[in-house]
Amino acid sequence: EVKLEESGGGLVQPGGSMKLSCVASGFTFSNYWMNWVRQSPEKGLEWVAEIRLKSNNYATHYAESVKGRFTISRDDSKSSVYLQMNNLRAEDTGIYYCTRGFPFDYWGQGTTLTVSS
Amino acid sequence: NIMMTQSPSSLAVSAGEKVTMSCKSSQSVLYSSNQKNYLAWYQQKPGQSPKLLIYWASTRESGVPDRFTGSGSGTDFTLTISSVQAEDLAVYYCHQYLSSRTFGGGTKLEIK
Repeated sequence: EVKLEESGGGLVQPGGSMKLSCVASGFTFSNYWMNWVRQSPEKGLEWVAEIRLKSNNYATHYAESVKGRFTISRDDSKSSVYLQMNNLRAEDTGIYYCTRGFPFDYWGQGTTLTVSS
Repeated sequence: NIMMTQSPSSLAVSAGEKVTMSCKSSQSVLYSSNQKNYLAWYQQKPGQSPKLLIYWASTRESGVPDRFTGSGSGTDFTLTISSVQAEDLAVYYCHQYLSSRTFGGGTKLEIK
């Protein structure tokens, strides 16, 4: 059974940093592109970042709204993908989902990030 | 960015009725090199994560009931539920994955 389990969300002040983690199981992690997608009442569903495979030199892509502030990474030995978020803004508040593939065929349950003073 | 517009924003139907919902993209999501439409549909039930229903505009994901059908090409797409069941109560999102990745605003399906 494919499972994606996110962790690391919480409350952070504007300008602060947070790192999200996602541990995968039930499939060969190293064979799949991985993504982060967020959801908020204000913006709906919004793709955040993507990381490709070792054979693609772990190429990364970002939404314009997070470029330069967020960094996606992966550790295939731990079947994990991460999202380092810096210089956080109120508009980054939302549920962050880890998703697999192209398009997104499996989603985790999400972890909630709140950016507020 | 390619913008995705869904309509209606909500609809209410009785069980057994047929439902159609629309998704329009601001640019074509048909890739000429392989003639594939980079368009997917997701279902999000209350309190759950989105679930992939349809990809390449019309390919049903494994395990998805055949009452769900995706159609369309280029910039105009439709998701049809042939006979709505109570369990289909959800918000349905379209998603383009040709150029960057963007989602529509969703269509909320309510059961009368």
